[in-house]
Amino acid sequence: DTEVTQTPKHLVMGMTNKKSLKCEQHMGHRAMYWYKQKAKKPPELMFVYSYEKLSINESVPSRFSPECPNSSLLNLHLHALQPEDSALYLCASSQEGKKRSSYNEQFFGPGTRLTVL
Amino acid sequence: KNQVEQSPQSLIILEGKNCTLQCNYTVSPFSNLRWYKQDTGRGPVSLTIMTFSENTKSNGRYTATLDADTKQSSLHITASQLSDSASYICVVVTTSGTYKYIFGTGTRLKVLA
Repeated sequence: DTEVTQTPKHLVMGMTNKKSLKCEQHMGHRAMYWYKQKAKKPPELMFVYSYEKLSINESVPSRFSPECPNSSLLNLHLHALQPEDSALYLCASSQEGKKRSSYNEQFFGPGTRLTVL
Repeated sequence: KNQVEQSPQSLIILEGKNCTLQCNYTVSPFSNLRWYKQDTGRGPVSLTIMTFSENTKSNGRYTATLDADTKQSSLHITASQLSDSASYICVVVTTSGTYKYIFGTGTRLKVLA
């Protein structure tokens, strides 16, 4: 399995809702990433997990809360979002540690299109 | 400051024609350079990966070049197809502390019948 899957594909939520985005990979990758991508812009890194521990938080507002329950799963919990948070949220994974490839290629999921009303 | 700039921002060509997309970067230290294709509303898909010592790499109708001296890369698409319509993103990977992707702003390609 060389795929990163994300659910849901689309999500519409109000500013008072609580929702979660899910990401899963079964490639044995130990690094997982959340990116936010606005229309016609490149992806912006939000969080990086390495061996299920948060290693990078790019000063993301606390209304975004990541969670890595195990090496295959990555969640992004959403609460009290703003309309400007509407974007495509991409998950990616890559090898880490002793198995790290010199290329350290990131494999991206198809994304979740989030709309905040 | 690590930056990756792409040109043109957008491009319209007729089906069957060739095109070349450009990428200039100021990233250090350099690990490798990648070209991704991203369909609208989808995740990026890797086309090529090039290390410092590689000048040219092909993947079907896609050919990437890298000039590490001038810090420039190009992606040439041969005999374009309607399905080539997408955004093409140049990514330079830096190894400063940890591997990090520096994304270019992308070139939006539209192929017309």
